[in-house]
Amino acid sequence: KNQVEQSPQSLIILEGKNCTLQCNYTVSPFSNLRWYKQDTGRGPVSLTIMTFSENTKSNGRYTATLDADTKQSSLHITASQLSDSASYICVVSAGLTDSWGKLQFGAGTQVVVTP
Amino acid sequence: SQTIHQWPATLVQPVGSPLSLECTVEGTSNPNLYWYRQAAGRGLQLLFYSVGIGQISSEVPQNLSASRPQDRQFILSSKKLLLSDSGFYLCAWSVRDRGDNSPLHFGNGTRLTVT
Repeated sequence: KNQVEQSPQSLIILEGKNCTLQCNYTVSPFSNLRWYKQDTGRGPVSLTIMTFSENTKSNGRYTATLDADTKQSSLHITASQLSDSASYICVVSAGLTDSWGKLQFGAGTQVVVTP
Repeated sequence: SQTIHQWPATLVQPVGSPLSLECTVEGTSNPNLYWYRQAAGRGLQLLFYSVGIGQISSEVPQNLSASRPQDRQFILSSKKLLLSDSGFYLCAWSVRDRGDNSPLHFGNGTRLTVT
């Protein structure tokens, strides 16, 4: 069973509108949670990294939140632009001493912004 | 600034043929290097991980292998490709010894189709 679940699988939003993506995880012990943006046919690009003690972190129009108690995170996109069309991937890092296999990837949410 | 180069961008190979994908990193020394495979609708799967020249870790059984002949060069190989090897292969690097919060920096991937 995947330890990182993202919802929705996909969504379509109008340019200029806001949207929120969800990430639930069961990874334990927890070290940090990351959000990546992946354009079609390209490699993922890091948006935010949050540790246990951080509740929110922003990167331009992207704001990530973390509730480590409920093991939930969200990514909020404000005033969406056509360039926001991409897959958004939630990645949770386990607090393991061995780096191998620490990162657990969600399947991503495909966002399409329409004019 | 650091850059990561991955080639080729696309590749079509017949079943049973060999494979060699190359990845190089510039602008940093002693990076951690990774090979991932991304299947449609699923999270990234870590294939190989390297902390130094000649040091390769692998957990997923497969007919793929990896080598690190130089500090900033990472090669993914196969002697005989299978249909199931088709996918999107991503190389990534991270700063060594920066602990859990070091972000991954991905290349732009290779789309491999085995026919």
